[in-house]
Amino acid sequence: EAGVAQSPRYKIIEKRQSVAFWCNPISGHATLYWYQQILGQGPKLLIQFQNNGVVDDSQLPKDRFSAERLKGVDSTLKIQPAKLEDSAVYLCASSLDYGGRVTGELFFGEGSRLTVL
Amino acid sequence: DQQVKQNSPSLSVQEGRISILNCDYTNSMFDYFLWYKKYPAEGPTFLISISSIKDKNEDGRFTVFLNKSAKHLSLHIVPSQPGDSAVYFCAAPRVPHYSSASKIIFGSGTRLSIRP
Repeated sequence: EAGVAQSPRYKIIEKRQSVAFWCNPISGHATLYWYQQILGQGPKLLIQFQNNGVVDDSQLPKDRFSAERLKGVDSTLKIQPAKLEDSAVYLCASSLDYGGRVTGELFFGEGSRLTVL
Repeated sequence: DQQVKQNSPSLSVQEGRISILNCDYTNSMFDYFLWYKKYPAEGPTFLISISSIKDKNEDGRFTVFLNKSAKHLSLHIVPSQPGDSAVYFCAAPRVPHYSSASKIIFGSGTRLSIRP
């Protein structure tokens, strides 16, 4: 079974530039998540999709971050314009979802490390 | 609001000994708890979970204990091996008042180093 795929693995940009990350979840997983992990901290949920609908984006800085999940499969996360404090690893995860309740076991990709200079 | 807390950022244990990683929580409504393990340059991987109706769950060298009165859980690794060196996160599902979907929230992690 193929795991969660993410690209690019690494990205270096200057502040005020834009960047996009791509994620392909495990086949059949209805729920997809984007987490931000800043060095020394735990992953923080940015946005959660159920199929192609958003179920939680309360911690997504909507003035600069956007995300979409077309056709309920792949997803992209975009940052425009980037700030220094956006330097982090962006983790995509997916999970099986029974009856609308998350069972807890998330399958993570390797992450995309963003450095903003 | 940090509902899941790991107060020890790092821990060093000798190979073969027991490693004990701790986690405290503030929300007594959590249905279950999870531990994830993360190696450098990789995503976290699920390790073990425990339902809130249990006080212990064991899987090989890994055992998680839950003390509901103290709102505390711990992960025991016995015996510790070099491959256990990683960052360990405790996590729990939280159902926001504005949504019917639960979201997994993570602690800040504990870096475990197993020394020979």
